[in-house]
Amino acid sequence: QKEVEQNSGPLSVPEGAIASLNCTYSDRGSQSFFWYRQYSGKSPELIMFIYSNGDKEDGRFTAQLNKASQYVSLLIRDSQPSDSATYLCAGDAYSGYSTLTFGKGTMLLVSP
Amino acid sequence: DTGVSQNPRHKITKRGQNVTFRCDPISEHNRLYWYRQTLGQGPEFLTYFQNEAQLEKSRLLSDRFSAERPKGSFSTLEIQRTEQGDSAMYLCASSLTGSEQYFGPGTRLTVT
Repeated sequence: QKEVEQNSGPLSVPEGAIASLNCTYSDRGSQSFFWYRQYSGKSPELIMFIYSNGDKEDGRFTAQLNKASQYVSLLIRDSQPSDSATYLCAGDAYSGYSTLTFGKGTMLLVSP
Repeated sequence: DTGVSQNPRHKITKRGQNVTFRCDPISEHNRLYWYRQTLGQGPEFLTYFQNEAQLEKSRLLSDRFSAERPKGSFSTLEIQRTEQGDSAMYLCASSLTGSEQYFGPGTRLTVT
């Protein structure tokens, strides 16, 4: 069964620190990986995606992908209390239809 | 630029009743996905449409569930003879390319 694994947390960091969120996946056929942010009671919001090995930066966010290790991470620099949310990692199923397999999410708490 | 919309936002129904949810994707997006999310879990894929064609269905989608996308625009998800286990957030996502998927606000279903 294709799985995406995340530590449920919570991950607690002080304001201004770097938050590091990690994810592993089992489906070697997955090509693309996505990070969604989900506030309590709201729907997931796409914040980053990555296709290639290495790093991809977008503002305060950096996604990292290592296909050999089947590992994806998201770094959030200068964490703000407004970043407190659950972060969902997802990989696409290599079916040609890009259906996503999600992890359970990691809760991030940024304290002022 | 309007995002994905879903109606109703909340639905409370009694066990055994039928319910129908609607999703209106972002206007130029030809790909539409339905997911279901329960508390503490990531979204789980239910079904996928490309234009009006339903191309993929999850094994999670029992025969009580049916989805349509007439004319390749909005989509409906119907659950017949609801059970308490159907209580969840039903999420619709749309995509232009099949990679980045953008979620609607969801329909929260409670079966009593």
